[in-house]
Amino acid sequence: AQKVTQAQTEISVVEKEDVTLDCVYETRDTTYYLFWYKQPPSGELVFLIRRNSFDEQNEISGRYSWNFQKSTSSFNFTITASQVVDSAVYFCALSEVSTNAGKSTFGDGTTLTVKP
Amino acid sequence: DTEVTQTPKHLVMGMTNKKSLKCEQHMGHRAMYWYKQKAKKPPELMFVYSYEKLSINESVPSRFSPECPNSSLLNLHLHALQPEDSALYLCASSQDGLGRTGELFFGEGSRLTVL
Repeated sequence: AQKVTQAQTEISVVEKEDVTLDCVYETRDTTYYLFWYKQPPSGELVFLIRRNSFDEQNEISGRYSWNFQKSTSSFNFTITASQVVDSAVYFCALSEVSTNAGKSTFGDGTTLTVKP
Repeated sequence: DTEVTQTPKHLVMGMTNKKSLKCEQHMGHRAMYWYKQKAKKPPELMFVYSYEKLSINESVPSRFSPECPNSSLLNLHLHALQPEDSALYLCASSQDGLGRTGELFFGEGSRLTVL
C-alpha cells in the first residue's frame, strides 16, 4: 500500500531563513510519481512539482529546490530565503502507475508559518 | 487565476435540502476528481471520472451523487447531508485521463456547512 509521511506538522521560521520540509514515502510500485502542492489560506491547492521514480535529479526553481533520494524514499522540499507569502500548508503526494491509478495519496501536510 | 472553477464558493444547507456543487475546466483534461477536505487534514478522494466515466468511487455514502455531463463539467449533487459532511469540497482535473502520472489542478473549493 502506498503511504506518505510528513513528520513535521508545523514549522515556524523568521523571514529570510531557509527551511526544509520532509517527505518520506512507501510504495511497492517501481514506477510512481511524487508531487508537492501548496495550499495557502485561500484554500486552493497549487501544484509545485512532479518527479517520476526514474528521475533522481534534484531540481531548483527560484527559491524552491527539491531533493529526491530513492535510497531513503524521501522527497524533501527546501525554501531558501523564506518570505511571508510562503506561509501555507504544504502537501507531499504519491501516485502509483500500475496500482491505485487515479488515487494520489497525500501526506498529512506541513503548516509553514513565516514571520516577518 | 485558477483554471478550474468551482461554484458556489460557500454553501449553507439544512439536512433536508438538495443542492449541487459545480466544477468546470477548459484545459481539455480527461480526468476530473472530487475531494473532501476537513480542517487541518489532507484532501480525501471521493470520486474520479476518467473520460467522462466514473472510474473510482471511494465508498462514498449515496447522499453524495456525482455527475459528469461532459468532459468539461463535473457536478456533485447533495441530498440529506449530515453536519459531519461540513467540509471544503475540492474539484480537480488532470491531463492524464487515467490519473496515474499527471499533476492535479485544483479549484478554490466549495466550503459547505450543513446545519
